[in-house]
Amino acid sequence: EVQLVESGGGLVQPGGSLRLSCAASGFTFSNYWMHWVRQAPGKGPEWVSRVYTDGSETNYADSVKGRFTISRDNAKSTVYLQMNSLRAEDTAVYYCVRMAGTPYWGQGTLVTVSS
Amino acid sequence: EIVLTQSPGTLSLSPGERATLSCRASQSVSGNYLAWYQQRPGQAPRLLIYGASSRATGIPDRFSGSGSGTDFTLTISRLEPEDFAVYYCQQYGSSPLTFGGGTKVETK
Repeated sequence: EVQLVESGGGLVQPGGSLRLSCAASGFTFSNYWMHWVRQAPGKGPEWVSRVYTDGSETNYADSVKGRFTISRDNAKSTVYLQMNSLRAEDTAVYYCVRMAGTPYWGQGTLVTVSS
Repeated sequence: EIVLTQSPGTLSLSPGERATLSCRASQSVSGNYLAWYQQRPGQAPRLLIYGASSRATGIPDRFSGSGSGTDFTLTISRLEPEDFAVYYCQQYGSSPLTFGGGTKVETK
């Protein structure tokens, strides 16, 4: 059974940093692009970033470019999202997503940026 | 970037009625990689349909997806009480992934 389990969310002040993790199981992790998608309160989902199978290629939404960094550790079947210079508008539930084949989403981790 | 436009914004129906939700893309969706999700308050999006017409595991057969290219439809044949929720379409055929603005199915 495919499982994606996010962790690392919490309350952080504007300008602060957080690192999210997503532990994957139930499939060959190193074969898949992995994505982060977020959903702000009362809004629809928004794609944030993706990382290629071996980590050699990454892409970002304009809203996070230069502040967020995605990476992966295939030995640990884990994808990360390093979030720096956080803003109030980054407040959202962050989901780890595998889109290829049958899409799978984790349950999400809440990030709240507030003073 | 592919823009997805969902209509209507809100659909007011009664249990037992048929719901038809539309998702129109600004350009052709590669491979018909179009998914539909259901979201209830406080919950993560739940995958209903992927590849435009394939039902996800455990999804009742009253949910069906159709369409290709730029026009896609989610049909709920007979609404059950638990089907009143927000529905999103998403394309994953090209980068960046994009989502429609959602259709809320509410009780009439």
